[in-house]
Amino acid sequence: QVQLVESGGGVVQPGESLRLSCEGSGFRFSYHGMHWVRQAPGKGLEWLGFIRYDGGKKVLADVVRGRGTISRDNARNTLYLEMSSLRPEDTAVYYCVRDRGSVLTTFYFDFWGQGTLVIVSS
Amino acid sequence: SELTQDPAVSVALGQTVTITCQGDTLRKYFASWIQQKPGQAPVVVIFGKTNRPSGIPDRFSASGSGNTASLTITGAQAEDEADYYCKSRDSSGNYLVFGGGTKLTVL
Repeated sequence: QVQLVESGGGVVQPGESLRLSCEGSGFRFSYHGMHWVRQAPGKGLEWLGFIRYDGGKKVLADVVRGRGTISRDNARNTLYLEMSSLRPEDTAVYYCVRDRGSVLTTFYFDFWGQGTLVIVSS
Repeated sequence: SELTQDPAVSVALGQTVTITCQGDTLRKYFASWIQQKPGQAPVVVIFGKTNRPSGIPDRFSASGSGNTASLTITGAQAEDEADYYCKSRDSSGNYLVFGGGTKLTVL
């Protein structure tokens, strides 16, 4: 069955950097685009960005552009989100989400990971 | 947000409820609907125009007209109590946006 497992969350100080990982299994990871979505405590969902199945196209939301990057290693079935200059408002659960399309970008979601919590605090 | 939802809606058990999402981009792009129960990861209940992923009960349906997308639950069950988010693209078409979410209470 399809599984997405995020890791790398934790407590970080303001101004520090972080790399989150998302390992996919149960499907052909290299065939699917992937998204990152976050949710601050008690708040709604916020889309952060997308990377195409082959890594050839990336789109970042304004909130992370300039201090974040999305990458993937298809040989390791792993998606990454790196963010720098972290702020308290970056405190959130970070989810990786599979794009529904296979070797095709649909911008429709299907499977979500369980999320990893990032707390930015001194 | 470019997509606007009512913050809260309630429905009596077994009755029908409609949750709406408004935004100009819905005139061009379909909305998806995402359910999130407390403490759980979100789940897609509708994608595209009216498509239900496998495993989603057929009491969930969707429609759209003009700048409004709607999610209808026909015969709401206690387990449908959750936050519901609409999702679509922004005005440029290059980015995804979520509505603010609607908290559904089943009475």
